[in-house]
Amino acid sequence: AQSVTQPDIHITVSEGASLELRCNYSYGATPYLFWYVQSPGQGLQLLLKYFSGDTLVQGIKGFEAEFKRSQSSFNLRKPSVHWSDAAEYFCAYTGTASKLTFGTGTRLQVTL
Amino acid sequence: NAGVMQNPRHLVRRRGQEARLRCSPMKGHSHVYWYRQLPEEGLKFMVYLQKENIIDESGMPKERFSAEFPKEGPSILRIQQVVRGDSAAYFCASSPSGQASYNEQFFGPGTRLTVL
Repeated sequence: AQSVTQPDIHITVSEGASLELRCNYSYGATPYLFWYVQSPGQGLQLLLKYFSGDTLVQGIKGFEAEFKRSQSSFNLRKPSVHWSDAAEYFCAYTGTASKLTFGTGTRLQVTL
Repeated sequence: NAGVMQNPRHLVRRRGQEARLRCSPMKGHSHVYWYRQLPEEGLKFMVYLQKENIIDESGMPKERFSAEFPKEGPSILRIQQVVRGDSAAYFCASSPSGQASYNEQFFGPGTRLTVL
């Protein structure tokens, strides 16, 4: 079955430390991949997306993600985390259908 | 350009009542999607609509739930005879015309439904 897996439910990092959030997908062809961020009580904001081309994608707020076909992964990274990055992060994909399929999310906590 | 608007932001209903959730897409967007987020879970697709048409309702519960996107006015997600298990955040997203799967979906702030 097609799916998205985010293996880490919670991650805690210190402010200024680097961050990597993992995302693995299961899909027959190359999907369209997205990372969204959700602050408490808010809707989702798109951080970045991958459709084709360069496998390293730059997004907003200093985030980047790398698509690795061989590993079926699309991990999100940030070199230096800020306290305001504390939120829930969702990886998602679409295939031939238009609907987004989301992972279960990773909750990021930032310690000062 | 206003974003995706949803109202109400919070809705409280007693078991057996009806809930109506409204979504106004971004200007120029003709594709609307509804997603449900249960507590401590990710978002799950419910339905995809274009003006006056339901394109994909594979995520909609078979009973009590319906959705529409009329020619004029907002998209409506209707839940009849609500039960406690319907308590969740319901998000609407919109995307512009064209090949929808290529397009970013812009999300509204959500409606948080509580069923007493």
